Amino acid sequence: NAGVTQTPKFRVLKTGQSMTLLCAQDMNHEYMYWYRQDPGMGLRLIHYSVGEGTTAKGEVPDGYNVSRLKKQNFLLGLESAAPSQTSVYFCASSYRQAGNQPQHFGDGTRLSIL
Amino acid sequence: AQSVTQPDIHITVSEGASLELRCNYSYGATPYLFWYVQSPGQGLQLLLKYFSGDTLVQGIKGFEAEFKRSQSSFNLRKPSVHWSDAAEYFCAAYTGNQFYFGTGTSLTVIP
Repeated sequence: NAGVTQTPKFRVLKTGQSMTLLCAQDMNHEYMYWYRQDPGMGLRLIHYSVGEGTTAKGEVPDGYNVSRLKKQNFLLGLESAAPSQTSVYFCASSYRQAGNQPQHFGDGTRLSIL
Repeated sequence: AQSVTQPDIHITVSEGASLELRCNYSYGATPYLFWYVQSPGQGLQLLLKYFSGDTLVQGIKGFEAEFKRSQSSFNLRKPSVHWSDAAEYFCAAYTGNQFYFGTGTSLTVIP
């Protein structure tokens, strides 16, 4: 029973490099989310998706792009990494965007940009 | 603007002592409210949730939370803390548009 799986778990990048974080869920959830977690800031929503083929901006979308080509996968891309993007990234999914549908979280990806 | 506030950044309690973690929300209507726990190196796990009805809700691991509309609060409590409860705790609210998370309270448990 995998739930929400994030890959990779750790990554170190140099400024200007690009990379893609993968989130996969096996719960047939419609909604998927990408958050970043920084000390003293809690979780901030980067982008989210309400279904296959759809994406929308969250609170802090600049510098990131996302794609949802398959229902079970939600990709977060950094085209040109910056030190300010050093953070822990969490993916989450839910059956739908509603208060009675809590989100299920992955274990996070720790990303350092040098 | 909607927001969730956790006024305590860090709390230390002795094992066996009672615990209360504070959470306040700012929203015109009553949002859906949640408490999550995050162990080191892990994602967030749902402890409990409040939608409506009884203002005292029970969750997993012996936790409970009480919704107080007059104080716009949703405080988390546990009568007797165990060493395994040491973790980061997040309060969250869903306001009909998106989820908002507090900045978290880090709990240390002293043997």
